[in-house]
Amino acid sequence: EDQVTQSPEALRLQEGESSSLNCSYTVSGLRGLFWYRQDPGKGPEFLFTLYSAGEEKEKERLKATLTKKESFLHITAPKPEDSATYLCAVKGAQKLVFGQGTRLTINP
Amino acid sequence: GAVVSQHPSWVICKSGTSVKIECRSLDFQATTMFWYRQFPKQSLMLMATSNEGSKATYEQGVEKDKFLINHASLTLSTLTVTSAHPEDSSFYICSARDPAAYEQYFGPGTRLTVT
Repeated sequence: EDQVTQSPEALRLQEGESSSLNCSYTVSGLRGLFWYRQDPGKGPEFLFTLYSAGEEKEKERLKATLTKKESFLHITAPKPEDSATYLCAVKGAQKLVFGQGTRLTINP
Repeated sequence: GAVVSQHPSWVICKSGTSVKIECRSLDFQATTMFWYRQFPKQSLMLMATSNEGSKATYEQGVEKDKFLINHASLTLSTLTVTSAHPEDSSFYICSARDPAAYEQYFGPGTRLTVT
């Protein structure tokens, strides 16, 4: 059974303090690993798709990387507007499987 | 990125009534759409997968007679919560899959409150 575990559950950072979020996964036949951002009371917003180990994608202050067992979402010099829950999901042969998310809070 | 809309964004209904939620893919044709439910501070729980022109596939434990899903066109899927009860109160989110890839794009969600 495909599984996704995200850590930490919650993370508080000061504005400008860089850090990384972890997504560990097991999947049969990876078709894609996805990162989403979700704000309170909203649907998830698509950020990145990673398809194979070694792949990296960047968008503004965010950079996603992928190995055969985990993915990292690096956030560089975050701003308060980066505060949100970040969800990781994997697609194998079956349905998209989500992790529990990491609630990120950036204090000004 | 692709845009998925949902309507309404929030709805309050009385116990025993039915409520319909619409999900539209605005800039691509989605042969497959998904309906999720999310409880506070929890991740998304897949309820069902709908394919255009065919019956929806429901996840284990989801009552198909209670949550009616129709995917009548390539841009519209609807979820009808029938005979709603307070325990059906939740945040419902639809998603549409880009047919050219594996990405799923999500709607803004619908907050349902059953009184």
